[in-house]
Amino acid sequence: GDSVTQMEGPVTLSEEAFLTINCTYTATGYPSLFWYVQYPGEGLQLLLKATKADDKGSNKGFEATYRKETTSFHLEKGSVQVSDSAVYFCALSDRRGSQGNLIFGKGTKLSVKP
Amino acid sequence: DSGVTQTPKHLITATGQRVTLRCSPRSGDLSVYWYQQSLDQGLQFLIQYYNGEERAKGNILERFSAQQFPDLHSELNLSSLELGDSALYFCASSARDRGLDYNEQFFGPGTRLTVL
Repeated sequence: GDSVTQMEGPVTLSEEAFLTINCTYTATGYPSLFWYVQYPGEGLQLLLKATKADDKGSNKGFEATYRKETTSFHLEKGSVQVSDSAVYFCALSDRRGSQGNLIFGKGTKLSVKP
Repeated sequence: DSGVTQTPKHLITATGQRVTLRCSPRSGDLSVYWYQQSLDQGLQFLIQYYNGEERAKGNILERFSAQQFPDLHSELNLSSLELGDSALYFCASSARDRGLDYNEQFFGPGTRLTVL
């Protein structure tokens, strides 16, 4: 079945460092891809999305590009802040209209030190 | 605030017991999804309802059941609880099918279940 693999954490960075969190997927169709973020004690929030190959999702300085040839959707940010400390989840949704369920990776915990 | 509410926030119970978790979706959203987040299994999809009907089933145990009521709120029932059922249970909702090619789900804050 469909699956998502993302890099194991935790990831610890200093403020203003460059961030990459790797995510690869396996899917039979053409899924939509997402990054969700979970701040301590809260639910998940959609960070960005991409619905087709070569799409780039971006939000709050984070970016990810849908690479069909490498089945990847790596999350990047040029300069992280302490407030970016959270758990990041890569996810896919199979394309059954807008009602497909989400399949998540295991999450990557990011800690940013001042 | 996502607009999705879940009650209770925390629940502590004993093995063998039964509990009910409640979720109210965002206003106007017809779909409700339930997810379980545990340390060993990560975030797993349990079940989806759309406008009162079961739409999809994931890794949901037979001891678990759910329903969506006419006012669109949903309940997840967990019975014969085991220690391994301790987890964070999330509810999410999404809008009616507008022919979009992606599925944005809005998550509630979760219910933390502890089985002792």
